[in-house]
Amino acid sequence: NAGVTQTPKFQVLKTGQSMTLQCAQDMNHNSMYWYRQDPGMGLRLIYYSASEGTTDKGEVPNGYNVSRLNKREFSLRLESAAPSQTSVYFCASSETVGGEAFFGQGTRLTVV
Amino acid sequence: DQQVKQNSPSLSVQEGRISILNCDYTNSMFDYFLWYKKYPAEGPTFLISISSIKDKNEDGRFTVFLNKSAKHLSLHIVPSQPGDSAVYFCAASASGTYKYIFGTGTRLKVLA
Repeated sequence: NAGVTQTPKFQVLKTGQSMTLQCAQDMNHNSMYWYRQDPGMGLRLIYYSASEGTTDKGEVPNGYNVSRLNKREFSLRLESAAPSQTSVYFCASSETVGGEAFFGQGTRLTVV
Repeated sequence: DQQVKQNSPSLSVQEGRISILNCDYTNSMFDYFLWYKKYPAEGPTFLISISSIKDKNEDGRFTVFLNKSAKHLSLHIVPSQPGDSAVYFCAASASGTYKYIFGTGTRLKVLA
């Protein structure tokens, strides 16, 4: 049972490049989330999807887009990467929106 | 504006003693609180939660206390073990908002 799987684990991008972070969960959870973690800032919510077919902005959505592809998968896209988006990104899922979330192992992204 | 604050960036405790991690919040609308533990290069793992209708919740060695009047919660770990060494995040949410606000974390080191 893999839980929440994120790919890739590491990525280096040049400023202006685009990329998509992939996330899949096998727990049949309804809700999924994308967070970023920066030193001294805790985890901040970028976007969430309360259920399949819906997405909503979190605390720091600027510069990102998301797609809830199906119940299992929730992707995060950076259209034009900026150095300020250098961070560790975590995907999470929960059975109900606002419930205890299970996190993936994270993607460490560096934008140069 | 940091709505959830963990003012101690780090804490060291001897094995077998009690670890007390503190968290303060400013938003009186918060009514659900969680603690997460995070090891290096892993995603956060849910530890314990408490609703605002309670003032204490216990799960094995872990107890969370909530003081609503002081807008303060604490996590007690008794007895502390070396495997408890990790970063601990508290998080809070308000009903209907569907998102958690995380603190900046406290790094706990349990000395053998």
